[in-house]
Amino acid sequence: EAGVTQSPTHLIKTRGQQATLRCSPISGHTSVYWYQQALGLGLQFLLWYDEGEERNRGNFPPRFSGRQFPNYSSELNVNALELEDSALYLCASSLFGGETDTQYFGPGTRLTVL
Amino acid sequence: GDSVTQMEGPVTLSEEAFLTINCTYTATGYPSLFWYVQYPGEGLQLLLKATKADDKGSNKGFEATYRKETTSFHLEKGSVQVSDSAVYFCALNGRIGANSKLTFGKGITLSVRP
Repeated sequence: EAGVTQSPTHLIKTRGQQATLRCSPISGHTSVYWYQQALGLGLQFLLWYDEGEERNRGNFPPRFSGRQFPNYSSELNVNALELEDSALYLCASSLFGGETDTQYFGPGTRLTVL
Repeated sequence: GDSVTQMEGPVTLSEEAFLTINCTYTATGYPSLFWYVQYPGEGLQLLLKATKADDKGSNKGFEATYRKETTSFHLEKGSVQVSDSAVYFCALNGRIGANSKLTFGKGITLSVRP
């Protein structure tokens, strides 16, 4: 069974540009989560999508946004990139989004903002 | 809000040594608890989990017991191997209502010497 996949593996942008990151969940999973792993800041929750709707949002500015498609894949968009947006962005999926439900992570997209 | 505190690192051990990594948490309600492992250049892998008090999670020789009275979920392994060298994250999902998300500790780097 295929795991969570993310693309691209690496992304290099300049300040002010927009970045789009993509995630495909494990087959059968309806919930998709996005996390940011920035140096010195640890792993921080960004967004949670379930059944096409945004269910929860972390403490990030509105220029971080996303969506979930009918096939449950998801996109994370970061507008007006800043240097501090450089980080590893991890996507996770789970069956139904409950607190006992396990989140399975993809390999991540490394975003570098120059 | 929810929080997870892990012991300070890094930790360096010799092969076959006993491992303990401390993790304590603060949460409203009854969270599920997780240990994830991150190998260099990769995403997170679930190591083990426990969803209620006194549950013991175990996998690949690692164990952790959900202790509600001490709000702890310490990770242990009786005999570490060089291949266990990685970063270990303790996490909780304290979903209340619609707000499902993982809250992570800062992670601890484990290096095992041959």
